[in-house]
Amino acid sequence: RKEVEQDPGPFNVPEGATVAFNCTYSNSASQSFFWYRQDCRKEPKLLMSVYSSGNEDGRFTAQLNRASQYISLLIRDSKLSDSATYLCVVSGFQKLVFGTGTRLLVSP
Amino acid sequence: EPEVTQTPSHQVTQMGQEVILRCVPISNHLYFYWYRQILGQKVEFLVSFYNNEISEKSEIFDDQFSVERPDGSNFTLKIRSTKLEDSAMYFCASRQGATEAFFGQGTRLTVV
Repeated sequence: RKEVEQDPGPFNVPEGATVAFNCTYSNSASQSFFWYRQDCRKEPKLLMSVYSSGNEDGRFTAQLNRASQYISLLIRDSKLSDSATYLCVVSGFQKLVFGTGTRLLVSP
Repeated sequence: EPEVTQTPSHQVTQMGQEVILRCVPISNHLYFYWYRQILGQKVEFLVSFYNNEISEKSEIFDDQFSVERPDGSNFTLKIRSTKLEDSAMYFCASRQGATEAFFGQGTRLTVV
């Protein structure tokens, strides 16, 4: 089983749509959870950290279910500028482990 | 805003040559990393560095690879004898603790 699994997509959505991404991880000892965004040929950039209580940042909502080892990201009212690859990242004490990423394409 | 900086942005080298990729992590961070991303593939962990030593390394990080923090600010990745399959984007990252990691803009390595 892969350490961090994501549906690679692509997800093609119109502007204004709501889209949800999911991620599962295999290491139950994982400590920290993040969603990063990566634009083509650029470095990963933090979108948001993910907490068990769930957290929201504007149009973005992230949830963590430790029992199911499952992380989600919801994007509401999609913008053209949201087009990117969304990376699920899980961390223990040392390394961060990346999922393959889910590609999102938002069209006019 | 503090940032991780990497040089060079692009390096072309001949197969068999040695390359050194350089990184300046954020100054008060304690954990340092190298990752690589082959075009079209996922971001892969290479090595983590803490307290002046390697804390974890992946299967990719074989004897050809080495890391150093020579002067308390720079963090380097050396590939001793490059192969075609080493062509990739190499990202340096740093973090303070069990928090988010900040990534440099990457070095695109092309081995010909």
